[in-house]
Amino acid sequence: QVQLVQSGAEVKKPGASVKVSCKASGYTFTTYYLHWVRQAPGQGLEWMGIINPSGGSTTYAQRFQGRVTMTRDTSTSTVYMELTSLTSEDTAVYYCARVSGKMAIGDAFDIWGQGTVVTVSS
Amino acid sequence: EIVLTQSPGTMSLSPGERATLSCRASQSVRSSYLGWYQQKPGQAPRLLIYGASSRATGITDRFSGSGSGTDFTLTISRLEPEDFAVYYCQQYGSSPITFGGGTKVEIK
Repeated sequence: QVQLVQSGAEVKKPGASVKVSCKASGYTFTTYYLHWVRQAPGQGLEWMGIINPSGGSTTYAQRFQGRVTMTRDTSTSTVYMELTSLTSEDTAVYYCARVSGKMAIGDAFDIWGQGTVVTVSS
Repeated sequence: EIVLTQSPGTMSLSPGERATLSCRASQSVRSSYLGWYQQKPGQAPRLLIYGASSRATGITDRFSGSGSGTDFTLTISRLEPEDFAVYYCQQYGSSPITFGGGTKVEIK
């Protein structure tokens, strides 16, 4: 079945970086854009950016520009999200999510990963 | 950036009752690219409605969406125990993609 499986929980110190993976299966990896969304404890959902698994092009939310990098490995059908210069405000669950159609902007998110908890603490 | 405001923040209802959730956008949502998601504790969000009014695959017809422009509504016709959760609206028609703050539907 179609699924996205993310890497396990991470604990990082302030100033460090974290890299979260999201492995796709059950469909043609390069066909559908993938987004990253995060959710701080007890808070709502925040969009971080999008990657085109086919060509690797990315678009990031302005507030993460310069701190986030999204990459992909087509040989393993995996996308990665790296966030640098972590602070306690980056403590959150990070989700990858697949679009339901072929558009980067204009399609809802129909498949979600299980989430990766990232805790930033000294 | 399109800001989505959901109301109410919390609604307390009994099983069998009707729930009406509101999502208002700060500017018109392009082509009604508005979705609704359900999230239960410890789980990822689940897509319920896309295109403002189309049910996602496998979603019961108890859920319905309506609206256009800047005002959108999610209706749950008769609440079942499994419907008590947090609901988010999302606009995905323009970048940055944005979500509303959520409405929690709790058991009265």
